Amino acid sequence: AQKVTQAQTEISVVEKEDVTLDCVYETRDTTYYLFWYKQPPSGELVFLIRRNSFDEQNEISGRYSWNFQKSTSSFNFTITASQVVDSAVYFCALREWSARQLTFGSGTQLTVLP
Amino acid sequence: DAEITQSPRHKITETGRQVTLACHQTWNHNNMFWYRQDLGHGLRLIHYSYGVQDTNKGEVSDGYSVSRSNTEDLPLTLESAASSQTSVYFCASAGETGELFFGEGSRLTVL
Repeated sequence: AQKVTQAQTEISVVEKEDVTLDCVYETRDTTYYLFWYKQPPSGELVFLIRRNSFDEQNEISGRYSWNFQKSTSSFNFTITASQVVDSAVYFCALREWSARQLTFGSGTQLTVLP
Repeated sequence: DAEITQSPRHKITETGRQVTLACHQTWNHNNMFWYRQDLGHGLRLIHYSYGVQDTNKGEVSDGYSVSRSNTEDLPLTLESAASSQTSVYFCASAGETGELFFGEGSRLTVL
């Protein structure tokens, strides 16, 4: 069965520091999709990125970057030069090709201090 | 703009009462889901539907039911509310690209 592990429950950094959120997944499928979602203090869930298992290229979007490594079953998320507005809970999720539902990790609470 | 809405946003009920949380989406998505969010557990899947008249149990389905009579709506019913069902409930829908679009959440307190 599929599983997503976010071992970091809480992370606290000072503004402008870089921070990496770890995500490790388990699946028997060779085709799958990985996602990151952000949940700010207001509570809504915001989609950040989707990556399929055939595309191991790293992706960068502004201050956000994602490192997908199949060899270690990891899909880590880095925020460069963090800002207070980045404070949120971040969820990593997995969707196997044969399914349409996502399996979520337990989330990482990121606090960026001014 | 297409959207997904949940109601009520907040509800307090008593143990043993039946509660229904509504979810309505205008994305015209076939796939709809209910998750609950609890500290330390992330988001756990309760029920999901791939289309009209289709419903499936998720990881934590005991004590919950859903029905899908049209594309737009997937109401979640707690047959006899228990204190363990105090949680924040999120409805979501997904199109062909697979990412979920979430509602704003419904906070349920069972006393």
